[in-house]
Amino acid sequence: DVKVTQSSRYLVKRTGEKVFLECVQDMDHENMFWYRQDPGLGLRLIYFSYDVKMKEKGDIPEGYSVSREKKERFSLILESASTNQTSMYLCASSWFYGVEQYFGPGTRLTVT
Amino acid sequence: GQQVMQIPQYQHVQEGEDFTTYCNSSTTLSNIQWYKQRPGGHPVFLIQLVKSGEVKKQKRLTFQFGEAKKNSSLHITATQTTDVGTYFCAGQRSGAGSYQLTFGKGTKLSVIP
Repeated sequence: DVKVTQSSRYLVKRTGEKVFLECVQDMDHENMFWYRQDPGLGLRLIYFSYDVKMKEKGDIPEGYSVSREKKERFSLILESASTNQTSMYLCASSWFYGVEQYFGPGTRLTVT
Repeated sequence: GQQVMQIPQYQHVQEGEDFTTYCNSSTTLSNIQWYKQRPGGHPVFLIQLVKSGEVKKQKRLTFQFGEAKKNSSLHITATQTTDVGTYFCAGQRSGAGSYQLTFGKGTKLSVIP
């Protein structure tokens, strides 16, 4: 069974803090993704990575950066958290592009 | 950019009634995927459709991909309380570098016992 884990289920941070969200997959997948999910807006892609040290912007990359130093780990970084980044963050992975994605349990981030 | 529209946004049905959600893309798709997210859970892959006009069934669920590969539907026959959740379609566009899926906003299904 593919397992995608995220470092925290719930996180509360203050405005201006630097925030790290970690994602680890155990199936040697090539591709990893970060989405945010907001009510009424569905899932929106922030960044994705198709190989170690490679990254591509998704639809809403502003205010975020990512890091992929190892194949199994993909980190999402909020350089200076703002209240409009309060959201559910979902990580996903897939072994190739165009095939099913496996999602982690999500991190609910609140920025106060 | 590519847009994937999904309707309806919400659907309340009596247990035993049928349910359908529709998905339309602004561009031709390479494939379309469907996911289900239970309340409090994360999206889980249901199926992928690749061929024009393709129809696939999973027990009470029927998935269709349009002839032009721009629209899709999910139909559930005789809904049960276990069908509750949000159903998302996700389109993969054609062409080079098409790594990303574009998700519809989802249809939230409530089933009244």
